Amino acid sequence: NAGVTQTPKFRILKIGQSMTLQCTQDMNHNYMYWYRQDPGMGLKLIYYSVGAGITDKGEVPNGYNVSRSTTEDFPLRLELAAPSQTSVYFCASRPPRTSGFNEQFFGPGTRLTVL
Amino acid sequence: SQELEQSPQSLIVQEGKNLTINCTSSKTLYGLYWYKQKYGEGLIFLMMLQKGGEEKSHEKITAKLDEKKQQSSLHITASQPSHAGIYLCGADYYNQGGKLIFGQGTELSVKP
Repeated sequence: NAGVTQTPKFRILKIGQSMTLQCTQDMNHNYMYWYRQDPGMGLKLIYYSVGAGITDKGEVPNGYNVSRSTTEDFPLRLELAAPSQTSVYFCASRPPRTSGFNEQFFGPGTRLTVL
Repeated sequence: SQELEQSPQSLIVQEGKNLTINCTSSKTLYGLYWYKQKYGEGLIFLMMLQKGGEEKSHEKITAKLDEKKQQSSLHITASQPSHAGIYLCGADYYNQGGKLIFGQGTELSVKP
């Protein structure tokens, strides 16, 4: 299993540009998450999904959109990038609580700079 | 998040000393995750606690969840430079549809 994969690893955007951060997991997990981590800080939840076709806002959803058309993929879309969106973005997935497996698996992260 | 508070924000200890990091929730937890992150790297899963009073260990790191399931502590015995990094607690709550939020993190430095 590749686990949770994210692309790209690094990206520099100009203010006002748009981009999509890709996230794929091959563990058949129903729960998927997007977090951002600013320097020296913890993780802030942007959006999450409990299954294909279902998404919900987290703590800091403004400026972002997500979709979940398949179990495997959970892309994060940035429209009109702003310097405040400079951060490291982590995608994560985990199985349902009833599975008996408790670990939330994280991708390696995407480092985004908006100039 | 104000739902989940972690303390202290940063900690500097001498190698060999013990230390404790706390994570306090304003609501009863379904489960509490502990992760470690080395600077500029990804997250390493340490353990997840689910039952009130539960205690788990991972090498020299022990975490406990209180009986009320609102507070967890992470204790490192005889700290080493390899323990340095950011420790994060994550909360899974009842009736929140799988939402999982994290505390602000604790940055640990271990002086040789």
